[in-house]
Amino acid sequence: DGGITQSPKYLFRKEGQNVTLSCEQNLNHDAMYWYRQDPGQGLRLIYYSQIVNDFQKGDIAEGYSVSREKKESFPLTVTSAQKNPTAFYLCATRDSLYEQYFGPGTRLTVT
Amino acid sequence: GEDVEQSLFLSVREGDSSVINCTYTDSSSTYLYWYKQEPGAGLQLLTYIFSNMDMKQDQRLTVLLNKKDKHLSLRIADTQTGDSAIYFCAETPGGKLIFGTGTRLQVFP
Repeated sequence: DGGITQSPKYLFRKEGQNVTLSCEQNLNHDAMYWYRQDPGQGLRLIYYSQIVNDFQKGDIAEGYSVSREKKESFPLTVTSAQKNPTAFYLCATRDSLYEQYFGPGTRLTVT
Repeated sequence: GEDVEQSLFLSVREGDSSVINCTYTDSSSTYLYWYKQEPGAGLQLLTYIFSNMDMKQDQRLTVLLNKKDKHLSLRIADTQTGDSAIYFCAETPGGKLIFGTGTRLQVFP
């Protein structure tokens, strides 16, 4: 898991509530990413940020929001507009050699 | 858009070789990666290959790249039960990392 922290490991929320997933890194990497993984499926890119104060939508950004105010932090907010928020969420960073490093993930369950 | 494709399952006997295949989509990808995911965990980078290489060997792992066919493979020699996991290939178009659908490798005694 390197120097990437995602907390908590398990998160439970009621439908209609926004929830923010944290991702912190001490690897000094510029680029950070959020992915969603559903059972039996690959990873899908939600948002990514290549530098502080800048981020881009990935393939499935609807219902999510992010901020990148600090190099070390890239929080993801799952809003009530996200129709199927229950999933495993993975944060990652990328170094200058294009190697990606993943956090341990947060499993979000919305009921 | 097009998907990065992998077969869903592979089952091998302990000690045999495993070959996991991947068809990617973006010929401009500078690097192509293989990741391993164990249950309930994040992804672990196994190896990668630079786009100007045909082959890379790293201990039990051999990566083959066919750029003409956009085909990538990962061979695991002497497969062990600890190799049981989901394996993802990934391409790198424009600063993003796009993952394949993942291949679940099951190793039986």
